[in-house]
Amino acid sequence: QQQVKQSPQSLIVQKGGIPIINCAYENTAFDYFPWYQQFPGKGPALLIAIRPDVSEKKEGRFTISFNKSAKQFSLHIMDSQPGDSATYFCAARTAGNKLTFGGGTRVLVKP
Amino acid sequence: GAGVSQSPSNKVTEKGKDVELRCDPISGHTALYWYRQSLGQGLEFLIYFQGNSAPDKSGLPSDRFSAERTGGSVSTLTIQRTQQEDSAVYLCASSPQANTEAFFGQGTRLTVV
Repeated sequence: QQQVKQSPQSLIVQKGGIPIINCAYENTAFDYFPWYQQFPGKGPALLIAIRPDVSEKKEGRFTISFNKSAKQFSLHIMDSQPGDSATYFCAARTAGNKLTFGGGTRVLVKP
Repeated sequence: GAGVSQSPSNKVTEKGKDVELRCDPISGHTALYWYRQSLGQGLEFLIYFQGNSAPDKSGLPSDRFSAERTGGSVSTLTIQRTQQEDSAVYLCASSPQANTEAFFGQGTRLTVV
């Protein structure tokens, strides 16, 4: 059973556009929601994370919006650049740091 | 070390053979995790270590899979009698303790032919 659903599977935007990736979860025991960025041949790297008592968090050009009642959260990449082209994964954590990942979104930013 | 180190980076094995994948976590990190990433898929949790014990091994897909950790450091994931469906990238991550940021290695790409 996939506990974290991520959409879309892929996304193409022009440089300067704002890719938006959405995730939904079911398990209310999740207490931490990180986003990871993965380049080909590399392991995932933590990008930004949020806790369920916060509705929005910004770090540089990356923003997470969190809707606890809807059990949804999303990543926005402001002023996207070709170097942002990567696969992005949302995740949700339960006790013991066990991360449940979404299926990933491949983002391509065209110059 | 500077980061989580995994070896080998690539492994091709014949169906039915056993393989061992190694993970060297960041020095001092007590928590260690194994995940599996199949082509074009998300990451699937396999097992979590706190020190040398594994409080959660619920993600191991079958009894052909096992893992151990010694000295609170290096971990080995062993797959016995490999099958083609075991082909994937196996990722290891470590964190200073449970419920803190996890840092991933680059993974071992396993191909079973």
